[in-house]
Amino acid sequence: AQSVSQHNHHVILSEAASLELGCNYSYGGTVNLFWYVQYPGQHLQLLLKYFSGDPLVKGIKGFEAEFIKSKFSFNLRKPSVQWSDTAEYFCAVQISSGSARQLTFGSGTQLTVLP
Amino acid sequence: NAGVMQNPRHLVRRRGQEARLRCSPMKGHSHVYWYRQLPEEGLKFMVYLQKENIIDESGMPKERFSAEFPKEGPSILRIQQVVRGDSAAYFCASLPTGRENTGELFFGEGSRLTVL
Repeated sequence: AQSVSQHNHHVILSEAASLELGCNYSYGGTVNLFWYVQYPGQHLQLLLKYFSGDPLVKGIKGFEAEFIKSKFSFNLRKPSVQWSDTAEYFCAVQISSGSARQLTFGSGTQLTVLP
Repeated sequence: NAGVMQNPRHLVRRRGQEARLRCSPMKGHSHVYWYRQLPEEGLKFMVYLQKENIIDESGMPKERFSAEFPKEGPSILRIQQVVRGDSAAYFCASLPTGRENTGELFFGEGSRLTVL
């Protein structure tokens, strides 16, 4: 079965700092990859996704993620964070073929951006 | 277009009681997922349903837990004889019909169950 690791449980940054959140998955086959975000008091929402093609994907609010197949990684980045980026970020993987359609989520990274 | 609606948002039960959590997917969505989030843990898949069908229940505990998504009405996650370890946030997510392979889930705000 696939699994997802997010090694940073809590990240604290000042505004304008650069962000990189790590995500590694374990599955030998083809996967779809996602980052979801949960802002305080809100529901989880999709930030960006990778299915195929260019391994560097861009999402909303200036976020991007790079799929590195050899490292089984899909790290999330943002060059300059804002206070409004304070949220919990979840990486998720989905096996891209077969009958299994559930997303497997990591344990999440709480990002706190200090004004 | 209303989002995924979950109720109750907060539910308190004593050990041995039953908990029923409801999820109304977005309009036009016929697929529903239930996830559980325990403290300090990520979202754990429980069950994937289509109207009147359970597609994948590999994440459901073998006992006390059941889920349904009837032709009419919301999806229900039912937990019988709750124990303290059932205390968690339960999230429902839905998918548009025909986009089952996209993984682009629309989540509700969750139902937080506390078992005393």
